[in-house]
Amino acid sequence: DAGVTQSPTHLIKTRGQQVTLRCSPKSGHDTVSWYQQALGQGPQFIFQYYEEEERQRGNFPDRFSGHQFPNYSSELNVNALLLGDSALYLCASSGGGTQIYEQYFGPGTRLTVT
Amino acid sequence: AQKVTQAQTEISVVEKEDVTLDCVYETRDTTYYLFWYKQPPSGELVFLIRRNSFDEQNEISGRYSWNFQKSTSSFNFTITASQVVDSAVYFCALSRPKSGGYNKLIFGAGTRLAVHP
Repeated sequence: DAGVTQSPTHLIKTRGQQVTLRCSPKSGHDTVSWYQQALGQGPQFIFQYYEEEERQRGNFPDRFSGHQFPNYSSELNVNALLLGDSALYLCASSGGGTQIYEQYFGPGTRLTVT
Repeated sequence: AQKVTQAQTEISVVEKEDVTLDCVYETRDTTYYLFWYKQPPSGELVFLIRRNSFDEQNEISGRYSWNFQKSTSSFNFTITASQVVDSAVYFCALSRPKSGGYNKLIFGAGTRLAVHP
């Protein structure tokens, strides 16, 4: 049973560039959430996708956008990168029923903005 | 507003010692969920436990135990007879179920546990 997978593992970008991160949820899960974890801090919720729509959003600017595909996989896009966007980006998936309350996380994508 | 506080930034113990990680939360909701996650050096968050606000029964799973006390808004995590493999950052988190059954997790800052041989 494959868990949550994310790609790429590491990424280095320059200020002002755009980046796309990818996530495949755990088998049987239909909801994907994205979190940003700065060094030494707890993860911060960015947004959540269900049925290809964003249904919750955290306190992040519009430079952060996402998409969910019919196969439930998801992308996180960040435009006009800032140095402060350097972080570990975590994807989490969850299923239906009471499983919605148990989010399973992927290994993350470490983004470095120079 | 919802908030999770993990006052212990780092804890260092010797193998076989017992260790308790503290978690204090704030919420105005009567129904909520509490979680503990483990983050090893690889970076992946590993789900450990979910507790409903209406269930204050303590739980034990092997060397792990959790003490949930609504009166003090605390959800503490104890590792008995710690092992080197327990070394990781541990996060306490809170979620508020919204209609439709979806939620977001609000994390504390984490406690880094180092278990030395």
